[in-house]
Amino acid sequence: GENVEQHPSTLSVQEGDSAVIKCTYSDSASNYFPWYKQELGKGPQLIIDIRSNVGEKKDQRIAVTLNKTAKHFSLHITETQPEDSAVYFCAASYSLMLTFGGGTRLMVKP
Amino acid sequence: GAGVSQSPRYKVTKRGQDVTLRCDPISSHATLYWYQQALGQGPEFLTYFNYEAQPDKSGLPSDRFSAERPEGSISTLTIQRTEQRDSAMYRCASSLAGSGGDNEQFFGPGTRLTVL
Repeated sequence: GENVEQHPSTLSVQEGDSAVIKCTYSDSASNYFPWYKQELGKGPQLIIDIRSNVGEKKDQRIAVTLNKTAKHFSLHITETQPEDSAVYFCAASYSLMLTFGGGTRLMVKP
Repeated sequence: GAGVSQSPRYKVTKRGQDVTLRCDPISSHATLYWYQQALGQGPEFLTYFNYEAQPDKSGLPSDRFSAERPEGSISTLTIQRTEQRDSAMYRCASSLAGSGGDNEQFFGPGTRLTVL
């Protein structure tokens, strides 16, 4: 089955700096890679996703890159703000089942 | 409601008791998923429904776990003879469709189960 590794597990940045979270996956059949943000007491919320026919996707301050050859994908957050502080999960899927990484706790210091 | 709802939000039970968790998906959503999330970990897939059909039970940890969605809307997850290792957050998600571009999964707030 699919296995997703996520790094780092915690990340602390100064407000305004960029944050990068990286994930690797094992199953070359995976073709859908969403990123979720989980705030305290809430369920994960999709913030951006990418499909295997695209190498990069941007949405305002958030971007995701995908390298299918190397089987890794990354989340980039620019100009971080305190409200970006949360746990971020990457996931990979080739069917309906999402396989999640272990999560990254991002702390943005004002 | 506008989102996925789950009840109860918290459940404390004694080892050996049965528990039933409920999920109310977004009303137009055909597909419903159950995940188990241990503290500090990402959600792990348990099972999913496409309307009332349950094509994949591969993630259910044992035969003590079962799920239903008899009318294709509300779903329940039942854990029989609970064990301490069943303590976790149980999350439900739903998506508009099961494939194609409409499979964004919307998650509920979860039920935190504690087995004493």
